[in-house]
Amino acid sequence: NAGVTQTPKFQVLKTGQSMTLQCAQDMNHEYMSWYRQDPGMGLRLIHYSVGAGITDQGEVPNGYNVSRSTTEDFPLRLLSAAPSQTSVYFCASSNRGTHTGELFFGEGSRLTVL
Amino acid sequence: GIQVEQSPPDLILQEGANSTLRCNFSDSVNNLQWFHQNPWGQLINLFYIPSGTKQNGRLSATTVATERYSLLYISSSQTTDSGVYFCAVNTGFQKLVFGTGTRLLVSP
Repeated sequence: NAGVTQTPKFQVLKTGQSMTLQCAQDMNHEYMSWYRQDPGMGLRLIHYSVGAGITDQGEVPNGYNVSRSTTEDFPLRLLSAAPSQTSVYFCASSNRGTHTGELFFGEGSRLTVL
Repeated sequence: GIQVEQSPPDLILQEGANSTLRCNFSDSVNNLQWFHQNPWGQLINLFYIPSGTKQNGRLSATTVATERYSLLYISSSQTTDSGVYFCAVNTGFQKLVFGTGTRLLVSP
């Protein structure tokens, strides 16, 4: 079981560059989300999706775009990277089953913006 | 929005000691999860516990939803228990709000 897979694990960008963090899950989960974790803090929600074609903003959405064309994939796009976006990014998924709301996380993607 | 507070912020234990971590939340929630973030940064599910008590080996958790708190118990701690423990509450559509964590260091 692959679970939630994120790529890349590490990335260094220059200010103004764009990139996409990939997230894929093989558990047929309906819900997917992106969080960021800054030093000494818990995770904060960026964007989330309740199903293919449906996305919404979380707590800290500015500077990020998402789309959900398939159940499996939920990419996070940075259109013009800024140093404030230096962080560790986690993708998560969950199912609307007996354990509704139990989130499973990927291993994280560490992004540095210079 | 909902506030999630964890205590203590830092905890240092000798191997073999027991500990209790607390999570308070300011409003009703759909559910609550405990995670362990290991030194490599991986987030590991410990418990999905909207109410009641669950046990998994040396770890157990209790959530009293009516009083808006949850407790994580670690017994006979081991060095591999070191890391940061987060509680997170679900406010709908699997949107988790995280506490700031308890950093645990277990020394041999």
